[in-house]
Amino acid sequence: GQQVMQIPQYQHVQEGEDFTTYCNSSTTLSNIQWYKQRPGGHPVFLIQLVKSGEVKKQKRLTFQFGEAKKNSSLHITATQTTDVGTYFCAGPVDGQNFVFGPGTRLSVLP
Amino acid sequence: NAGVTQTPKFQVLKTGQSMTLQCAQDMNHEYMSWYRQDPGMGLRLIHYSVGAGITDQGEVPNGYNVSRSTTEDFPLRLLSAAPSQTSVYFCASTREQGSQPQHFGDGTRLSIL
Repeated sequence: GQQVMQIPQYQHVQEGEDFTTYCNSSTTLSNIQWYKQRPGGHPVFLIQLVKSGEVKKQKRLTFQFGEAKKNSSLHITATQTTDVGTYFCAGPVDGQNFVFGPGTRLSVLP
Repeated sequence: NAGVTQTPKFQVLKTGQSMTLQCAQDMNHEYMSWYRQDPGMGLRLIHYSVGAGITDQGEVPNGYNVSRSTTEDFPLRLLSAAPSQTSVYFCASTREQGSQPQHFGDGTRLSIL
């Protein structure tokens, strides 16, 4: 079964609203990565979290790694139309190869 | 720097045909992998390689073969195409397995009729 889960599957927001996607793993992860895929494009690496409870910010994006290192979240403040795309989390569930979550597709209405 | 280059970008095959998807990277990465992306399922690992001459199966290897004769190239072969293999295929490379960012190619959109 799916070892890395993400919710929600879809999110529609009005431009300027906030957005959050949640990622959960069935096992403890040594690290977790986030990727963004624009429509018709390829996944692009955003960030990697390694430490328990770690919080990292990239402009309007805030990434968090849970204390138990089994969950993570991505929060976007004041969404813009450039934020449209699918956001994936990925973790080395078997310690080697990354398993990707199913992604959260974000659409932003202007 | 080209990064990861995939060819072709689009392909239509008939059931039973075979073909090779090409992938090349110029970053001297040891680890390369192939994923398929289907709606609602994220990216699933088909095969991967930790270096020239070494390949291994991922989550969904059936119907696909790979080889790694050089560090740069990692082709994916469909032996006898089936409609269930209609998907978008991405090749990726990284400096270190399981701990470094992956760099993806632009993808190959493959349709099997």
